[in-house]
Amino acid sequence: DVKVTQSSRYLVKRTGEKVFLECVQDMDHENMFWYRQDPGLGLRLIYFSYDVKMKEKGDIPEGYSVSREKKERFSLILESASTNQTSMYLCASLGQVPYNYGYTFGSGTRLTVV
Amino acid sequence: LAKTTQPISMDSYEGQEVNITCSHNNIATNDYITWYQQFPSQGPRFIIQGYKTKVTNEVASLFIPADRKSSTLSLPRVSLSDTAVYYCLVDGRGNTPLVFGKGTRLSVIA
Repeated sequence: DVKVTQSSRYLVKRTGEKVFLECVQDMDHENMFWYRQDPGLGLRLIYFSYDVKMKEKGDIPEGYSVSREKKERFSLILESASTNQTSMYLCASLGQVPYNYGYTFGSGTRLTVV
Repeated sequence: LAKTTQPISMDSYEGQEVNITCSHNNIATNDYITWYQQFPSQGPRFIIQGYKTKVTNEVASLFIPADRKSSTLSLPRVSLSDTAVYYCLVDGRGNTPLVFGKGTRLSVIA
């Protein structure tokens, strides 16, 4: 089974800190995604990447950046954390061939900014 | 991007069959319909995908009429462990990222 691992399950950070959320997948998938999930709002796409060193903005990229230096790792960076970035962050990966099993999500990182 | 509409919530008793209907009036010719399941404090999990007619796997069945403007996820004989949020998505199969709506919150009651 494809495994997507997010480095932290729970994280508490202070306002203004630079925060790194790490995501690693073990199936050589080309595509990786970062979503955030908030009550009543569903999952919203922050950034995605179709290949190493490629990145594309999603629907809510403001206040975030990403890094994909290696195929298996996709990092989400909060440049200066703010309280409105308190959320559940979900990373996902997708292989192109064969496309049979959709996105594989990690277990999520619940980030609290105080 | 094609938008989907599904009920906000549903309740069911254990052992019943549950059908969740989703409408996607603007689905494109190349799009598939995909359903995901999400338990609390976990990421969504892919459960089934189809293009037309009927698809069945060990978890669920998916019914898609000829016009493809709607689809129905069928969960046979639900148990308490099927309590989750179920998302219906129009899926371009990697051409564009998936757009998740708010899903349907299914509560299974003993």
